[in-house]
Amino acid sequence: DFVMTQSPDSLAVSLGERATINCKSSQSVLFTSNNKNYLAWYQQKPGQPPKLLLNWASTRQSGVPDRFSGSGSGTDFTLTISSLQAEDVAVYYCHQYYSPPYTFGQGTKLEIK
Amino acid sequence: QVQLQESSPGLVKPSETLSLTCTVSGGSISGSYWSWIRQPPGKGLEWIGYIYFSGNTNYNPSLKGRVTISLDMSKNQFSLKLSSVTAADTAIYYCAKHEGWIDPWGQGTLVTVSS
Repeated sequence: DFVMTQSPDSLAVSLGERATINCKSSQSVLFTSNNKNYLAWYQQKPGQPPKLLLNWASTRQSGVPDRFSGSGSGTDFTLTISSLQAEDVAVYYCHQYYSPPYTFGQGTKLEIK
Repeated sequence: QVQLQESSPGLVKPSETLSLTCTVSGGSISGSYWSWIRQPPGKGLEWIGYIYFSGNTNYNPSLKGRVTISLDMSKNQFSLKLSSVTAADTAIYYCAKHEGWIDPWGQGTLVTVSS
């Protein structure tokens, strides 16, 4: 199985500052034939289901603010929120869809400092 | 815009079978993959399995053969059965459209395993 490890487990950032969440996969999620990374990021607020933010490691979904960006390739990925807003308080998960069983990181809880 | 809604059995007794149904609206089940994911209270996400509209399935081996996912094209629904449940199966169960990434998700339903 692909083990997805996020760091840190929790993070407190001041409003307007940058937040960075890391995700490391135990195996590469880069499919070399199409040069795509089979990795997604989700945001989950209390009492709500996860919301897809990015797929293919860096493709922002429609309606997702451009302060959210993703980077990385192979086994190491980063979700960056360039200027933290109050509504960004949530738990963030990475997810590999390269190979079943599909797996998620343990989550990173993002709070306001 | 596709929307999904889980049924709500609420409470299941240990050793019994958990049964959930997901109703898809705003689009057809045909042509897509559909998954079940669960989340124990306060914990992370676990993919349970998916079904393709053709009926092909893929399950998480961690659930040790206790899972069956089926679909009813006539009702635009797909279902989850999890047998021999224990307290460890207490979780919020989500149904979702699975395109590799998972989107959209249902609101989720809390299933508690308790006598």
